[in-house]
Amino acid sequence: GEDVEQSLFLSVREGDSSVINCTYTDSSSTYLYWYKQEPGAGLQLLTYIFSNMDMKQDQRLTVLLNKKDKHLSLRIADTQTGDSAIYFCAESNDYKLSFGAGTTVTVRA
Amino acid sequence: GAGVSQTPSNKVTEKGKYVELRCDPISGHTALYWYRQSLGQGPEFLIYFQGTGAADDSGLPNDRFFAVRPEGSVSTLKIQRTERGDSAMYLCASSLTGPGDSPLHFGNGTRLTVT
Repeated sequence: GEDVEQSLFLSVREGDSSVINCTYTDSSSTYLYWYKQEPGAGLQLLTYIFSNMDMKQDQRLTVLLNKKDKHLSLRIADTQTGDSAIYFCAESNDYKLSFGAGTTVTVRA
Repeated sequence: GAGVSQTPSNKVTEKGKYVELRCDPISGHTALYWYRQSLGQGPEFLIYFQGTGAADDSGLPNDRFFAVRPEGSVSTLKIQRTERGDSAMYLCASSLTGPGDSPLHFGNGTRLTVT
């Protein structure tokens, strides 16, 4: 949606870190999410962060939230070929999620 | 089941026909959502159920679209007089309570193609 913006493409070498960035507009968002979508599949919940947190780490995934700038990022450490997918950032406004258009991550050998 | 289940996974229909898409949420989840995803875009909200009632159907594009959840579990999205512009991936999600309290878990979607 137009309220959530992401860069469209990211190419990363296998083993490097990937950083996907997202900006949102609704300062009242309660949760911010990262979903992963592989070709032809649904959305897989990767991680989410509550708006009063500024960082969350879960194995290879690190989420950083800058609430002042309304900026969210997802860092994937040691990127693998299986990480190739489209990654969606989403903000929650009460019971609706607003999604960005997705960032296509391509992992090259 | 372990996750949100949607059937069929693919549906091809002719323009003007009626279709039903089914969603079986995670057991015990009271909230259920339908989203629609067009090619190259993020999902867009259609409707939200809390229990049996539609708490918000403001995302349904027009009156050809209707959804029900009669027993507060399985939901069916119904599309009458389908048009080619209805072709998209239809995603269902559920959450334990409302989205402000628990994250949404999505199914694998139904890809609808209207010819």
